[in-house]
Amino acid sequence: DGGITQSPKYLFRKEGQNVTLSCEQNLNHDAMYWYRQDPGQGLRLIYYSQIVNDFQKGDIAEGYSVSREKKESFPLTVTSAQKNPTAFYLCASRKGTGNRETQYFGPGTRLLVL
Amino acid sequence: KNQVEQSPQSLIILEGKNCTLQCNYTVSPFSNLRWYKQDTGRGPVSLTIMTFSENTKSNGRYTATLDADTKQSSLHITASQLSDSASYICVVSPYPGGNYGQNFVFGPGTRLSVLP
Repeated sequence: DGGITQSPKYLFRKEGQNVTLSCEQNLNHDAMYWYRQDPGQGLRLIYYSQIVNDFQKGDIAEGYSVSREKKESFPLTVTSAQKNPTAFYLCASRKGTGNRETQYFGPGTRLLVL
Repeated sequence: KNQVEQSPQSLIILEGKNCTLQCNYTVSPFSNLRWYKQDTGRGPVSLTIMTFSENTKSNGRYTATLDADTKQSSLHITASQLSDSASYICVVSPYPGGNYGQNFVFGPGTRLSVLP
């Protein structure tokens, strides 16, 4: 099966702890994204990567970090600097360019603070 | 500022009924508009995509319309089923294409509940 996988499905973070969310895709897409989803709000972009070894900050990058060492992997670390990390985190990859570009989303990780 | 608004915030209908969800945007320039369906606790799944030159697109019981002049789109669901219960998200791309990273503006979604 081709697609995007995220793990874990649920993640608990203690105060002061860094946690890493996994995102893997076997769609051979170059571009990958991390979004944060809060109730009543649209998805907000945390980081995106157009190609391996390159990534750019999105609208709410503070308190988060990423790496893109492999095409198929784009892990997100939620650091202790992120004071309100409780949210649903979605990873996506992009197929195509121009007017027909489409994003494919993973199943999400829900992060909760203990 | 590029924004996407959706209405209503939530909607409850009976199984078998039709409904229409609205999306208004201020994104400019405009490239394309998508509707996604997001089941609770899952990632969004694409339903339709329309460019500025298209004014209607269907996917089974889902029909999306677009009026680029008034910057409005609607998603019409016909003969609703229990499985239609989900959030429906309108997404607008502000750029005319190309390899841009921040080229998706998301609406807050409409939460649809279909009751038996």
